[in-house]
Amino acid sequence: EAGVTQSPTHLIKTRGQQATLRCSPISGHTSVYWYQQALGLGLQFLLWYDEGEERNRGNFPPRFSGRQFPNYSSELNVNALELEDSALYLCASSLGQRVTQYFGPGTRLLVL
Amino acid sequence: AQSVTQPDIHITVSEGASLELRCNYSYGATPYLFWYVQSPGQGLQLLLKYFSGDTLVQGIKGFEAEFKRSQSSFNLRKPSVHWSDAAEYFCAVALGDSGYSTLTFGKGTMLLVSP
Repeated sequence: EAGVTQSPTHLIKTRGQQATLRCSPISGHTSVYWYQQALGLGLQFLLWYDEGEERNRGNFPPRFSGRQFPNYSSELNVNALELEDSALYLCASSLGQRVTQYFGPGTRLLVL
Repeated sequence: AQSVTQPDIHITVSEGASLELRCNYSYGATPYLFWYVQSPGQGLQLLLKYFSGDTLVQGIKGFEAEFKRSQSSFNLRKPSVHWSDAAEYFCAVALGDSGYSTLTFGKGTMLLVSP
């Protein structure tokens, strides 16, 4: 069974640009979560989508947004990129709203 | 709000020696508890989880963890460490309420294994 997949693996952008990160959950999972892992800041919760709806949001500015598609895949958009957005962005999925989350390999975003 | 503390930033263990990584949580009720491992440049792999029942939980790769309510702890153990266990380990907590399952992570403990 395929795990959570994320694309691209690496992304290089310049300050002010927009970045789009993609995530495909484990087959049958309807919940998708996004986390940011920045150097020195640890793992921080960004967004949670379930059944196409945003269920919860972490303490991040509105330029971090996303959506979940009918096939439960998800997209994270980061607008007006800042240098401190450089981080590993991890996507996780779970079966419905059950708490056990399974993580993908991440997308490493570098903002120059 | 719940919080998770991993007091050790780095731990070095000799190969073959036993390992214990500490995790303390702050939450009014019994949360759901997890340990994840992250190899360099990789995502997180679930090692084990505790929801309820037996307080000693077995996981993958020979790891186990013990939930101690009185100490608000969920320490990870392994009787004999292998060089391939070198990685960063994260303890995480989730609220058990329905529909609110985001994870709060500790800062992580980096495990170094010496020959």
